Amino acid sequence: EVQLVESGGGLVQSGGSLRLSCAASGFSFTSHWMSWVRQAPGKGLEWVANINEDGSEKKYVDSMKGRFTISRDNAKNSLYLLMNSLRAEDTAVYYCARDRRGGPNDCWGQGTLVTVSS
Amino acid sequence: DIQMTQSPSSLSASVGDRVTITCRASQTISSYLNWYRQKPGKAPNLLISFTSNLESGVPSRFSGSGSGTDFTLTISSLQPEDFATYYCQQSYSTPHTFGRGTKLEIK
Repeated sequence: EVQLVESGGGLVQSGGSLRLSCAASGFSFTSHWMSWVRQAPGKGLEWVANINEDGSEKKYVDSMKGRFTISRDNAKNSLYLLMNSLRAEDTAVYYCARDRRGGPNDCWGQGTLVTVSS
Repeated sequence: DIQMTQSPSSLSASVGDRVTITCRASQTISSYLNWYRQKPGKAPNLLISFTSNLESGVPSRFSGSGSGTDFTLTISSLQPEDFATYYCQQSYSTPHTFGRGTKLEIK
């Protein structure tokens, strides 16, 4: 069974940092791009970043470029999102998602909540 | 970045109704348009990829069409489990932007 399990969310003060993790299982992790998507409370989905199969190519939404860093460890079948200089508007549920070739996100984790207090 | 304009933002309908949700891209995205359904408190679920490809396990009452900049999701006969929020997403170029969502409510 394909499974993605996020962890690392929690309460952090404005200006602080947090690293999210996503453990993948049930599929060939090294064969897929992977993404982070977030959703602020009561709001829509916002694509954050994705990373290619070997971690050599990373794409970000402009508003998070320079503050957020996506990475992966293929030996551990894990995806990460390092978030620095956090702001109240970064408060959201962060989802890890698998990319199918061509971009659709065909498998999602349950999400991890990040709350940034001001 | 490509902007995705989804309409309507909300829709009231009854079980058995046929409904259509539209999504317009700010520039051509070929057929790189995906649709998701999200139930409250749950992660989104991919329904349709590349405009019209129904995902495995998704009922045939769902269909997608369009090309270029204009796309539609049609549900032919609403079922109780379809009352949820629907999002379109373009995967033509990064960032893979989403529409703002359509909340489908029971009339």
